[in-house]
Amino acid sequence: GAVVSQHPSWVICKSGTSVKIECRSLDFQATTMFWYRQFPKQSLMLMATSNEGSKATYEQGVEKDKFLINHASLTLSTLTVTSAHPEDSSFYICSAGGVYEQYFGPGTRLTVT
Amino acid sequence: QQQVKQSPQSLIVQKGGISIINCAYENTAFDYFPWYQQFPGKGPALLIAIRPDVSEKKEGRFTISFNKSAKQFSLHIMDSQPGDSATYFCAAALRGGGNKLTFGTGTQLKVEL
Repeated sequence: GAVVSQHPSWVICKSGTSVKIECRSLDFQATTMFWYRQFPKQSLMLMATSNEGSKATYEQGVEKDKFLINHASLTLSTLTVTSAHPEDSSFYICSAGGVYEQYFGPGTRLTVT
Repeated sequence: QQQVKQSPQSLIVQKGGISIINCAYENTAFDYFPWYQQFPGKGPALLIAIRPDVSEKKEGRFTISFNKSAKQFSLHIMDSQPGDSATYFCAAALRGGGNKLTFGTGTQLKVEL
């Protein structure tokens, strides 16, 4: 089946620094990837749609200057949390897929101290 | 109009019993309805999915029932096992919506011995 990986699986950073999270589709090409955020015991909140070769599309209320997305190739999308603050601490998950099926990465736990 | 409502929020079932989780949607343009299973600290995994031209789909112990007129669909887990204890999310998508998934709020299932 389709496999999506994320790196790192967890990261701790200090307030004010930036953190980059990678999302890779390992056995298929993805022109579109999605980035989600999930708080404990809550559902997934779509942050943005990452489009290969073009600008990402952000959901309402998501700061595009804070959450930078780059989809440089058909197998890699990156999410950079800039000037991170403790309230950015969360579980970040990416997904990729075909016309219908979406496959999710294992997630990245970000803790900002 | 984009919401997907899911119930119950939590569910406790005895081993061997049937777990039933329900979802309702509003947007009649949705044409793909997947269910995801998520274990703590992991990304969601696609469990089973259905399209509106089918009223039921079964894969092993997992069955989706779909009622197009009522705009409802449900997940049935037969012979529930402790290993099924996880959070389950229903979702909906429309092909013209760029594969963007709208998630339900999640159901935390616990299967007791």
